[in-house]
Amino acid sequence: EAGVTQFPSHSVIEKGQTVTLRCDPISGHDNLYWYRRVMGKEIKFLLHFVKESKQDESGMPNNRFLAERTGGTYSTLKVQPAELEDSGVYFCASTRQGYTGELFFGEGSRLTVL
Amino acid sequence: RKEVEQDPGPFNVPEGATVAFNCTYSNSASQSFFWYRQDCRKEPKLLMSVYSSGNEDGRFTAQLNRASQYISLLIRDSKLSDSATYLCVVTRNTGGFKTIFGAGTRLFVKA
Repeated sequence: EAGVTQFPSHSVIEKGQTVTLRCDPISGHDNLYWYRRVMGKEIKFLLHFVKESKQDESGMPNNRFLAERTGGTYSTLKVQPAELEDSGVYFCASTRQGYTGELFFGEGSRLTVL
Repeated sequence: RKEVEQDPGPFNVPEGATVAFNCTYSNSASQSFFWYRQDCRKEPKLLMSVYSSGNEDGRFTAQLNRASQYISLLIRDSKLSDSATYLCVVTRNTGGFKTIFGAGTRLFVKA
Protein backbone atom coordinates (compact mmCIF):
# COMPACT_ATOMS: atom_id res chain seq x y z
CA GLU A 1 0.00 0.00 0.00
CA ALA A 2 1.39 3.39 -0.96
CA GLY A 3 1.99 5.84 1.85
CA VAL A 4 1.28 9.53 1.92
CA THR A 5 3.07 11.23 -0.94
CA GLN A 6 3.88 14.89 -1.27
CA PHE A 7 5.11 16.98 -4.16
CA PRO A 8 7.40 18.80 -4.65
CA SER A 9 9.95 17.62 -2.13
CA HIS A 10 11.69 20.98 -2.26
CA SER A 11 10.67 24.29 -3.79
CA VAL A 12 12.73 27.47 -3.92
CA ILE A 13 10.84 30.61 -4.91
CA GLU A 14 11.20 34.34 -4.58
CA LYS A 15 9.12 36.49 -2.33
CA GLY A 16 5.88 37.39 -4.04
CA GLN A 17 5.70 34.26 -6.15
CA THR A 18 3.14 31.50 -5.87
CA VAL A 19 3.71 27.90 -4.90
CA THR A 20 1.31 24.98 -4.84
CA LEU A 21 2.06 21.94 -2.74
CA ARG A 22 0.29 18.66 -3.32
CA CYS A 23 -0.52 15.79 -1.00
CA ASP A 24 -1.87 12.38 -1.90
CA PRO A 25 -3.10 10.62 1.24
CA ILE A 26 -3.20 6.90 1.80
CA SER A 27 -6.04 5.45 -0.26
CA GLY A 28 -9.25 5.34 1.74
CA HIS A 29 -8.12 7.81 4.38
CA ASP A 30 -10.83 10.41 4.79
CA ASN A 31 -8.88 12.58 7.22
CA LEU A 32 -6.15 14.72 5.71
CA TYR A 33 -4.08 17.17 7.72
CA TRP A 34 -1.58 19.84 6.79
CA TYR A 35 1.16 20.81 9.22
CA ARG A 36 4.12 23.13 9.01
CA ARG A 37 7.48 23.14 10.73
CA VAL A 38 9.42 26.37 10.68
CA MET A 39 13.15 26.10 11.41
CA GLY A 40 13.79 25.56 15.11
CA LYS A 41 10.11 25.44 16.01
CA GLU A 42 7.60 22.71 16.69
CA ILE A 43 5.34 21.18 14.07
CA LYS A 44 2.15 23.23 13.95
CA PHE A 45 -1.28 22.36 12.69
CA LEU A 46 -2.62 24.22 9.66
CA LEU A 47 -5.87 22.54 8.75
CA HIS A 48 -7.88 19.34 8.64
CA PHE A 49 -10.05 17.94 5.86
CA VAL A 50 -12.63 15.23 6.26
CA LYS A 51 -13.11 14.06 2.72
CA GLU A 52 -13.58 17.27 0.74
CA SER A 53 -14.80 19.38 3.66
CA LYS A 54 -12.63 21.64 5.77
CA GLN A 55 -13.21 20.41 9.30
CA ASP A 56 -10.83 22.83 10.98
CA GLU A 57 -8.72 25.54 9.41
CA SER A 58 -7.89 27.37 12.61
CA GLY A 59 -4.16 26.95 12.06
CA MET A 60 -3.97 28.66 8.69
CA PRO A 61 -1.68 31.67 9.18
CA ASN A 62 -3.50 34.14 6.93
CA ASN A 63 -5.44 34.48 3.70
CA ARG A 64 -2.35 33.98 1.57
CA PHE A 65 -2.80 30.27 2.22
CA LEU A 66 -5.50 28.35 0.38
CA ALA A 67 -6.09 24.63 0.76
CA GLU A 68 -8.38 22.51 -1.34
CA ARG A 69 -9.36 18.89 -1.53
CA THR A 70 -11.68 18.58 -4.47
CA GLY A 71 -13.31 15.18 -4.70
CA GLY A 72 -11.96 14.19 -1.32
CA THR A 73 -8.81 12.61 -2.68
CA TYR A 74 -5.59 14.60 -3.03
CA SER A 75 -5.16 18.03 -1.52
CA THR A 76 -3.31 21.15 -2.58
CA LEU A 77 -1.96 23.96 -0.46
CA LYS A 78 -1.31 27.18 -2.32
CA VAL A 79 0.70 30.06 -0.95
CA GLN A 80 0.12 33.31 -2.81
CA PRO A 81 2.01 35.59 -2.59
CA ALA A 82 4.78 33.87 -0.67
CA GLU A 83 6.62 35.74 2.08
CA LEU A 84 9.99 35.01 3.68
CA GLU A 85 8.36 33.73 6.88
CA ASP A 86 6.52 31.04 4.91
CA SER A 87 9.76 29.09 4.57
CA GLY A 88 9.65 25.74 6.30
CA VAL A 89 8.65 22.14 5.81
CA TYR A 90 5.01 21.45 5.05
CA PHE A 91 3.88 18.03 6.13
CA CYS A 92 0.72 16.26 5.12
CA ALA A 93 -0.73 13.42 7.17
CA SER A 94 -3.74 11.17 6.82
CA THR A 95 -5.82 8.77 8.87
CA ARG A 96 -8.96 6.79 8.20
CA GLN A 97 -12.33 8.13 9.31
CA GLY A 98 -12.92 8.26 13.04
CA TYR A 99 -9.40 7.15 13.86
CA THR A 100 -7.64 9.27 16.45
CA GLY A 101 -4.40 7.38 16.78
CA GLU A 102 -1.30 7.37 14.63
CA LEU A 103 -0.88 10.02 11.98
CA PHE A 104 0.71 8.77 8.77
CA PHE A 105 2.94 11.48 7.41
CA GLY A 106 4.31 12.23 4.00
CA GLU A 107 7.98 13.10 3.67
CA GLY A 108 7.16 16.79 3.55
CA SER A 109 7.60 19.61 1.08
CA ARG A 110 10.43 21.95 1.97
CA LEU A 111 9.66 25.51 0.93
CA THR A 112 12.38 28.13 0.74
CA VAL A 113 11.30 31.70 0.03
CA LEU A 114 14.15 34.03 -0.93
CA ARG B 1 3.72 28.67 27.73
CA LYS B 2 3.58 25.93 25.10
CA GLU B 3 0.91 23.28 25.44
CA VAL B 4 3.48 20.47 25.11
CA GLU B 5 6.96 21.08 26.49
CA GLN B 6 9.99 18.87 26.07
CA ASP B 7 13.59 18.88 27.24
CA PRO B 8 15.37 21.24 24.85
CA GLY B 9 18.34 18.93 24.25
CA PRO B 10 20.39 17.98 22.42
CA PHE B 11 21.35 14.87 24.29
CA ASN B 12 24.78 13.47 23.46
CA VAL B 13 25.30 9.95 24.79
CA PRO B 14 27.70 7.08 24.14
CA GLU B 15 26.51 3.80 22.69
CA GLY B 16 25.05 1.57 25.36
CA ALA B 17 23.88 4.44 27.56
CA THR B 18 20.40 4.81 28.98
CA VAL B 19 18.70 8.08 28.14
CA ALA B 20 15.42 9.52 29.40
CA PHE B 21 13.26 12.14 27.73
CA ASN B 22 10.67 14.14 29.61
CA CYS B 23 7.55 15.86 28.38
CA THR B 24 4.81 17.83 30.10
CA TYR B 25 1.45 18.92 28.77
CA SER B 26 -0.73 21.71 30.07
CA ASN B 27 -4.23 20.84 28.86
CA SER B 28 -5.96 18.45 31.24
CA ALA B 29 -8.42 17.52 28.47
CA SER B 30 -5.62 15.74 26.59
CA GLN B 31 -6.68 12.23 25.69
CA SER B 32 -4.00 10.28 23.87
CA PHE B 33 -0.25 10.42 24.04
CA PHE B 34 2.48 9.33 21.69
CA TRP B 35 6.18 9.44 21.04
CA TYR B 36 7.17 10.00 17.43
CA ARG B 37 10.65 9.75 15.98
CA GLN B 38 11.88 12.09 13.26
CA ASP B 39 15.10 11.47 11.40
CA CYS B 40 16.92 14.36 9.81
CA ARG B 41 15.00 15.69 6.80
CA LYS B 42 12.42 12.94 7.11
CA GLU B 43 8.83 12.77 8.24
CA PRO B 44 7.77 11.98 11.81
CA LYS B 45 6.95 8.33 12.41
CA LEU B 46 5.14 6.81 15.34
CA LEU B 47 7.51 5.21 17.82
CA MET B 48 4.99 4.17 20.43
CA SER B 49 1.76 5.10 22.11
CA VAL B 50 1.87 5.94 25.81
CA TYR B 51 -0.51 4.52 28.39
CA SER B 52 -1.03 5.15 32.09
CA SER B 53 -0.04 1.57 32.79
CA GLY B 54 3.24 2.14 31.02
CA ASN B 55 4.33 0.23 27.98
CA GLU B 56 7.53 -1.29 26.73
CA ASP B 57 8.75 -2.15 23.28
CA GLY B 58 12.18 -3.73 23.34
CA ARG B 59 14.65 -1.14 24.55
CA PHE B 60 12.00 1.57 24.71
CA THR B 61 9.73 2.23 27.69
CA ALA B 62 7.08 4.93 27.82
CA GLN B 63 5.23 6.17 30.89
CA LEU B 64 2.31 8.50 31.42
CA ASN B 65 1.38 10.23 34.66
CA ARG B 66 -1.99 11.90 34.15
CA ALA B 67 -2.01 13.50 37.60
CA SER B 68 1.27 15.26 36.91
CA GLN B 69 0.54 15.66 33.20
CA TYR B 70 3.92 14.15 32.49
CA ILE B 71 5.13 11.73 29.83
CA SER B 72 8.49 10.02 29.61
CA LEU B 73 10.46 7.90 27.20
CA LEU B 74 13.37 5.74 28.31
CA ILE B 75 15.82 4.26 25.84
CA ARG B 76 18.11 1.56 27.16
CA ASP B 77 21.32 0.32 25.56
CA SER B 78 21.38 3.18 23.05
CA LYS B 79 22.38 2.37 19.48
CA LEU B 80 23.89 4.65 16.88
CA SER B 81 20.67 4.20 14.92
CA ASP B 82 18.68 5.75 17.76
CA SER B 83 20.08 9.16 16.81
CA ALA B 84 17.06 11.22 15.82
CA THR B 85 14.63 13.82 17.15
CA TYR B 86 12.00 12.48 19.53
CA LEU B 87 8.66 14.26 19.47
CA CYS B 88 6.16 14.18 22.31
CA VAL B 89 2.66 14.30 20.82
CA VAL B 90 -0.67 14.80 22.56
CA THR B 91 -4.20 14.71 21.20
CA ARG B 92 -7.41 16.21 22.53
CA ASN B 93 -10.93 16.64 21.30
CA THR B 94 -11.88 20.08 22.52
CA GLY B 95 -13.29 22.33 19.85
CA GLY B 96 -12.46 19.63 17.34
CA PHE B 97 -9.83 16.92 17.27
CA LYS B 98 -6.35 18.38 17.68
CA THR B 99 -2.87 16.90 17.64
CA ILE B 100 -0.28 18.98 19.48
CA PHE B 101 3.44 18.46 18.96
CA GLY B 102 6.29 19.23 21.27
CA ALA B 103 9.32 20.90 19.74
CA GLY B 104 11.27 17.65 19.97
CA THR B 105 14.45 16.58 21.70
CA ARG B 106 17.45 15.78 19.54
CA LEU B 107 19.46 12.69 20.47
CA PHE B 108 22.97 12.00 19.26
CA VAL B 109 24.36 8.56 20.07
CA LYS B 110 28.11 8.30 19.51
CA ALA B 111 30.43 5.34 19.19
